[in-house]
Amino acid sequence: DAKTTQPNSMESNEEEPVHLPCNHSTISGTDYIHWYRQLPSQGPEYVIHGLTSNVNNRMASLAIAEDRKSSTLILHRATLRDAAVYYCILISYNQGGKLIFGQGTELSVKP
Amino acid sequence: KAGVTQTPRYLIKTRGQQVTLSCSPISGHRSVSWYQQTPGQGLQFLFEYFSETQRNKGNFPGRFSGRQFSNSRSEMNVSTLELGDSALYLCASRIRDGYNEQFFGPGTRLTVL
Repeated sequence: DAKTTQPNSMESNEEEPVHLPCNHSTISGTDYIHWYRQLPSQGPEYVIHGLTSNVNNRMASLAIAEDRKSSTLILHRATLRDAAVYYCILISYNQGGKLIFGQGTELSVKP
Repeated sequence: KAGVTQTPRYLIKTRGQQVTLSCSPISGHRSVSWYQQTPGQGLQFLFEYFSETQRNKGNFPGRFSGRQFSNSRSEMNVSTLELGDSALYLCASRIRDGYNEQFFGPGTRLTVL
């Protein structure tokens, strides 16, 4: 299973953009990049995913490097409710429902 | 649509006992996966069921087992409980095979004394 590397923790100020990096140098051509986050005392929740092109949804944007060896999750305006652990996960088609969670990045948001 | 539900939410057992946890996926979802979360090991995949068949299994001992019913509801069982089985057990459902996202339940907090 391809692995990802993320910083252990990051800090942000409320209402400022946050860029959460993820390195995945061993990614294969058919691996999708998924992001999940886990708020305190809750199960993880899906945030966004992509293959090659940058992706946007109501929660966040995903910027994928041209060589696909890294990606960045962008929260455009952090709120206190965005404080969570963010996980970057690679998924291959045949992997099914098996998500391999790393340590993730713990994001704290200061008012 | 109702989300993924798990019962019970909290459970206390003693060493040597066995336990069964239940997960009801989102209506229409055919895949259910189970995860164990502990402070030391983080989130670890246990197994996945799709259309009543185990599709994938993580690196856990045989004391951990599961099954899925025809209505896609799933149960996981842990026999001969050990102190180290104390954890948050999460289940997640997804609609079909492929790259689609998983939806997690709130988890069952199991404490083994």
